[in-house]
Amino acid sequence: ILNVEQSPQSLHVQEGDSTNFTCSFPSSNFYALHWYRWETAKSPEALFVMTLNGDEKKKGRISATLNTKEGYSYLYIKGSQPEDSATYLCAFADTGRRALTFGSGTRLQVQP
Amino acid sequence: DAMVIQNPRYQVTQFGKPVTLSCSQTLNHNVMYWYQQKSSQAPKLLFHYYDKDFNNEADTPDNFQSRRPNTSFCFLDIRSPGLGDAAMYLCATSRTGAGNEQFFGPGTRLTVL
Repeated sequence: ILNVEQSPQSLHVQEGDSTNFTCSFPSSNFYALHWYRWETAKSPEALFVMTLNGDEKKKGRISATLNTKEGYSYLYIKGSQPEDSATYLCAFADTGRRALTFGSGTRLQVQP
Repeated sequence: DAMVIQNPRYQVTQFGKPVTLSCSQTLNHNVMYWYQQKSSQAPKLLFHYYDKDFNNEADTPDNFQSRRPNTSFCFLDIRSPGLGDAAMYLCATSRTGAGNEQFFGPGTRLTVL
């Protein structure tokens, strides 16, 4: 059973604050690491798919880094806005199974 | 717009009464997935189809079955729902396997009375 851990479980920040979350995953047999944003009453939406150690990806104010050797990825949000309020899920795939194992997510609430 | 559609959004069934959830996609993706998510837990993969090839997760109960009659549609059948099957069921698609992003439907919230 693959273990994908996300921390913190939830986070409350003020508008304008920058924040980051962590995703930990097995450091062996790495294939891909995904980040998704899931807003209430909407469909989860892909943010990043990362496949290379040292990858850094950016989309607007959101960026992510990947360390496959030590088994972690960070998601950063710069200058949080209320519309960033959502659950952020990471998911890991290994070379054997090639299906995603999700973490339980970090729920972000941004107060105006 | 190309998308993944799930019907219904909310489904109420009785204990032991079979129920079918449906998913359709206009993306023409090869892979379709069914996930189960119980409150605040990680979405758990039940099974997926790569084209017509069915891949069942080892710990998916026999009570859960799936059909993919064509590229666009995939169904989740729960033969005898128990109270523990109440959950959000998410359908997703991807072009190929886990190296590609997945596109999700909005989910079906299943309540078992």
